[in-house]
Amino acid sequence: SQTIHQWPATLVQPVGSPLSLECTVEGTSNPNLYWYRQAAGRGLQLLFYSVGIGQISSEVPQNLSASRPQDRQFILSSKKLLLSDSGFYLCAWSPRTEAFFGQGTRLTVV
Amino acid sequence: AQKVTQAQTEISVVEKEDVTLDCVYETRDTTYYLFWYKQPPSGELVFLIRRNSFDEQNEISGRYSWNFQKSTSSFNFTITASQVVDSAVYFCALTRTPLYGGATNKLIFGTGTLLAVQP
Repeated sequence: SQTIHQWPATLVQPVGSPLSLECTVEGTSNPNLYWYRQAAGRGLQLLFYSVGIGQISSEVPQNLSASRPQDRQFILSSKKLLLSDSGFYLCAWSPRTEAFFGQGTRLTVV
Repeated sequence: AQKVTQAQTEISVVEKEDVTLDCVYETRDTTYYLFWYKQPPSGELVFLIRRNSFDEQNEISGRYSWNFQKSTSSFNFTITASQVVDSAVYFCALTRTPLYGGATNKLIFGTGTLLAVQP
């Protein structure tokens, strides 16, 4: 069966520090991968998606970037965090229609 | 443009009551998928159901049931005999029917409904 792993679960980082969140999927190949952010107030916003290695599409301009160095690995990064980057970050994979989510990373920028 | 509206921000019920969560969507696509997800306090989004726009049959799974009505662009979710463990935020979502060749299917989420089931 397929599983998705996301880490770390929580993270507190100072403003201006770098960020790296990692997501890996097991039990499938060539999945579509996604990064979502859930800010306070509950709404889920799609940040990046990838249909293959090295193929990244950005949905909104921001301080973050994403990379897909391997088929089942998706990384969310920032060179310098802003206070507004705080939120709950969710990685997801999709075989075709529905998406399956990781457990999320709660990022607090202080 | 695609849009999902969950007008109920918060609902509070007492255990064993039935509760319906509303979802209204907008899309110009002729084929699409609708979803419901549950987000318990732990944060992970749990997939509950997928419905194809061609299939308007209602679905029942245990205490959960879904009513899809294309005529009113609604996809409502009913929990029968609610339990404390049902307390969570519930999201309705919409996506285009994915194309062949690996094109992505991006989910458009509603803002969620917080359901609190009191013992």
